[in-house]
Amino acid sequence: DAKTTQPNSMESNEEEPVHLPCNHSTISGTDYIHWYRQLPSQGPEYVIHGLTSNVNNRMASLAIAEDRKSSTLILHRATLRDAAVYYCIPSGSARQLTFGSGTQLTVLP
Amino acid sequence: NAGVMQNPRHLVRRRGQEARLRCSPMKGHSHVYWYRQLPEEGLKFMVYLQKENIIDESGMPKERFSAEFPKEGPSILRIQQVVRGDSAAYFCASSPRPTGGSRDTQYFGPGTRLTVL
Repeated sequence: DAKTTQPNSMESNEEEPVHLPCNHSTISGTDYIHWYRQLPSQGPEYVIHGLTSNVNNRMASLAIAEDRKSSTLILHRATLRDAAVYYCIPSGSARQLTFGSGTQLTVLP
Repeated sequence: NAGVMQNPRHLVRRRGQEARLRCSPMKGHSHVYWYRQLPEEGLKFMVYLQKENIIDESGMPKERFSAEFPKEGPSILRIQQVVRGDSAAYFCASSPRPTGGSRDTQYFGPGTRLTVL
């Protein structure tokens, strides 16, 4: 399975955009890139996923590099409720999700 | 459509007792995954089950831990003779189809927080 590299932590001001990067240089051509987040004391929550094209949903946008070796999760207007650990997870061949250490996002009021 | 349900949400056991954690997947989901999150650590896969079958238990400790997903009823993660090191949050997830190499996502429950005294 592809290895991922994410910053340990990031900060954002409330109502400003946040760009959360992820490097996955060993990703295979058929792996989807999934993003999950885990709010404090809760289970992980699906955010968004994509293969090659940029994707948008009500929660976020996902920008995927042309060579697919990196991607960026974009929260257009961070709120205090977006404070969480964000995980970037290539789908891989295994059935289970492999969680790395993720990025702890702190949103400042 | 109710989400993934787990109970109990909090469980306290003394060393040597048994812990039973239950997971009811989302309606229509026949694939269940269990993960463990030790304090200050990331989530680690334990076991993947489909109705009545264990598909992958590569993340399960070799002793004291077992899991089942019967034809009727919830999936059960059972820990026998618990030790302090078993204290963790246990999450289950479900999906309608096998995930992995696909676009399908997993839907997680709120977790069971096990404390071993």
